Amino acid sequence: QQQVKQSPQSLIVQKGGISIINCAYENTAFDYFPWYQQFPGKGPALLIAIRPDVSEKKEGRFTISFNKSAKQFSLHIMDSQPGDSATYFCAPTSDRGSTLGRLYFGRGTQLTVWP
Amino acid sequence: NAGVTQTPKFQVLKTGQSMTLQCAQDMNHEYMSWYRQDPGMGLRLIHYSVGAGITDQGEVPNGYNVSRSTTEDFPLRLLSAAPSQTSVYFCASSSAGTGRRETQYFGPGTRLLVL
Repeated sequence: QQQVKQSPQSLIVQKGGISIINCAYENTAFDYFPWYQQFPGKGPALLIAIRPDVSEKKEGRFTISFNKSAKQFSLHIMDSQPGDSATYFCAPTSDRGSTLGRLYFGRGTQLTVWP
Repeated sequence: NAGVTQTPKFQVLKTGQSMTLQCAQDMNHEYMSWYRQDPGMGLRLIHYSVGAGITDQGEVPNGYNVSRSTTEDFPLRLLSAAPSQTSVYFCASSSAGTGRRETQYFGPGTRLLVL
């Protein structure tokens, strides 16, 4: 059973546009909702993360929106740049119980930003 | 501070051969894990460890062994390589402290081809 569903699989955006990637999860025990960014040939790196006590978190051009009742969270990239072209993964987790620090990765979204 | 290091970067094996993928971290992290990444599948957890001497299975453990004799090192062993184990392997580590466990630091990956 896939606990995390990420969409879209690929996304093409023009420079300056808004990129939106969505993640839906099943496990209500998750209490930490990160997005990881991966460039070709590199390991994933934490981009931004949110806890369920807030509905939105913004860091520069990157924003996470969180909807606890719908069990969904999304990544918004404002003013998308060619340097943002990468694969993005949602990877919710929990610091307690059986999920104890394990990341549950979505299948990834390959973002391409055209100049 | 090198972070998480992995060796080798590339490896070609024949079916039935064995090998060990090395992973080391110099951040004194208690939590370490191994993932494999296949196209369109995201990252899937193979094995993880919450401290020296303690390991457990992840989502796809079959065909892989791990041990954790020191805090720094977490090698992954393929006992009898199969073509289905052709993948990119990532090691990750994080601190075990509450609130800090969720941010995982990934190594650069090992690309394995099994013929």
